[in-house]
Amino acid sequence: AQSVTQLDSHVSVSEGTPVLLRCNYSSSYSPSLFWYVQHPNKGLQLLLKYTSAATLVKGINGFEAEFKKSETSFHLTKPSAHMSDAAEYFCVVSNTGFQKLVFGTGTRLLVSP
Amino acid sequence: DAGVIQSPRHEVTEMGQEVTLRCKPISGHNSLFWYRQTMMRGLELLIYFNNNVPIDDSGMPEDRFSAKMPNASFSTLKIQPSEPRDSAVYFCASSGQVPGELFFGEGSRLTVL
Repeated sequence: AQSVTQLDSHVSVSEGTPVLLRCNYSSSYSPSLFWYVQHPNKGLQLLLKYTSAATLVKGINGFEAEFKKSETSFHLTKPSAHMSDAAEYFCVVSNTGFQKLVFGTGTRLLVSP
Repeated sequence: DAGVIQSPRHEVTEMGQEVTLRCKPISGHNSLFWYRQTMMRGLELLIYFNNNVPIDDSGMPEDRFSAKMPNASFSTLKIQPSEPRDSAVYFCASSGQVPGELFFGEGSRLTVL
């Protein structure tokens, strides 16, 4: 069975500083991995996805993530945080048919001025 | 284009009452998902449909929950009778041709007193 572990429930950064949200995965085969974002009182939105092509994946709003098989990690980064980045971020792994997405517990990103 | 549309956005009901949540997926999408989000359990997949056919309902908590998709543009999630522990935000999501890319509605927040 696949699973993901988000290592931090909350991350606080100042506007303009880098963002790092950590995710480790467990999968018995080569996984497909995603990051979704949820702004307050909204549904989730896909940020980026990895599906065994390039290991460095670029997403929307300046976010990117790197797939590291040796570390079983898929951390999300952004060079410079904006106030609008404050939201909850979910790391997600899927089965081969992409039908069942397994969501992590989420990391709440707080951005202070 | 309109996104995934859910109704009602908020529902407050009393224990024992029937609750029906509705979802209109994005036109042309052939997969539809129902998720439940709570603080304690995070985001859980309840059921998903492919081409209007239920594929996996293993996440449905118990017989009080039922879901239907009579056509490609409409789905319902029904809880009868409702209980306080059913209080949660219920999300509907649909997906099309891009594997793993789900489009979420804004959710239906259910409170059972």
